[in-house]
Amino acid sequence: EAGVAQSPRYKIIEKRQSVAFWCNPISGHATLYWYQQILGQGPKLLIQFQNNGVVDDSQLPKDRFSAERLKGVDSTLKIQPAKLEDSAVYLCASSATPGLAGGDTQYFGPGTRLTVL
Amino acid sequence: GQNIDQPTEMTATEGAIVQINCTYQTSGFNGLFWYQQHAGEAPTFLSYNVLDGLEEKGRFSSFLSRSKGYSYLLLKELQMKDSASYLCAVEHTDKLIFGTGTRLQVFP
Repeated sequence: EAGVAQSPRYKIIEKRQSVAFWCNPISGHATLYWYQQILGQGPKLLIQFQNNGVVDDSQLPKDRFSAERLKGVDSTLKIQPAKLEDSAVYLCASSATPGLAGGDTQYFGPGTRLTVL
Repeated sequence: GQNIDQPTEMTATEGAIVQINCTYQTSGFNGLFWYQQHAGEAPTFLSYNVLDGLEEKGRFSSFLSRSKGYSYLLLKELQMKDSASYLCAVEHTDKLIFGTGTRLQVFP
């Protein structure tokens, strides 16, 4: 079974530039998550999709971050304009069931390491 | 508020046993996950506890006490490849809330 795919793996940009990340979840997984992981910290949820609808985006800085999941499969996360504090790893994860029922786990992609100069 | 505490760093010797503790105070609780994360890689699932008690899976075991808001991950017969960060995460309202992780270094 193919895992969660993300691209690019690494990205370096200057502040105020824009950047986009792509995620392809495990086939058939209804729920997709984007996390931000700053060095030395645990992942922080940015946005959660169920199929192509947003379930939770309460921690997404909506003035600069946006995300979409067209057709309920692939997703893109965009930052515009980027700030220095956005330097982090952006992880995408997917799960088969919406509610993590019975311990259904989230499967993570390799992440995109963003450096903002 | 949501608060999940883990030690920042631990060290241990190859072949030894190490216990990584996690305490949590969250507004809700539907289960607790442990993930392993090697440097530069994605977190991978280790264990899940929803009921009090011990879950054993090979060299790894995880314990939960819901009344105490406490969990631990026990790693036996440590190997060099166990050097990684270990993340405790509480599930609440279909979301995972992660602790900051414990970086474990295993020495020969």
